[in-house]
Amino acid sequence: DAGVTQTPRHEVAEKGQTIILKCEPVSGHNDLFWYRQTKIQGLELLSYFRSKSLMEDGGAFKDRFKAEMLNSSFSTLKIQPTEPKDSAVYLCASSLGSQDTQYFGPGTRLLVL
Amino acid sequence: GEKVEQHESTLSVREGDSAVINCTYTDTASSYFPWYKQEAGKGLHFVIDIRSNVDRKQSQRLIVLLDKKAKRFSLHITATQPEDSAIYFCAAKGYNVLYFGSGTKLTVEP
Repeated sequence: DAGVTQTPRHEVAEKGQTIILKCEPVSGHNDLFWYRQTKIQGLELLSYFRSKSLMEDGGAFKDRFKAEMLNSSFSTLKIQPTEPKDSAVYLCASSLGSQDTQYFGPGTRLLVL
Repeated sequence: GEKVEQHESTLSVREGDSAVINCTYTDTASSYFPWYKQEAGKGLHFVIDIRSNVDRKQSQRLIVLLDKKAKRFSLHITATQPEDSAIYFCAAKGYNVLYFGSGTKLTVEP
């Protein structure tokens, strides 16, 4: 059974560009999460979907970050426009339900120049 | 909202010894406490969890303790091996969301 997959694994963008990160949750999972990981801030929640409905949208990230769940097996995170401070690892996770274990993908390492 | 503090930022032990990582949380409503392991360049790998209806859980060499009164939980890794070297994150679940500690870098020296 496949785990959470994320593409691309690495992304380099120029300041001001639009980038789209992709995530496929574990098959059958209803909850999907996007996190950002940096050494200074640690792990921060960006978005949380339950059965494709947006449940949480990290307040600090509403401005340039938009996550969508196009269907139950695919989600995207768009950053527009990118800024150097967006350089981080972006992690996607999924769980069967809100009370269940979250399983993480390998992450996308983003570098914004 | 919930705040999770992970007390050890680094921890070094000799192979075969035990390692203990401690976390505290602030929200008495939190009821689920998972632990994750992260190796270099990889995502978070779930290792063990505990729910608030128990105070101890063991899975092979991993033991999690939960003290709800003190709002404290800990991960004990017994008989450590070099492959246990990684960053370990504790987390507490509030309403719907996991709040993570800042991570403990565990080094197991041969």
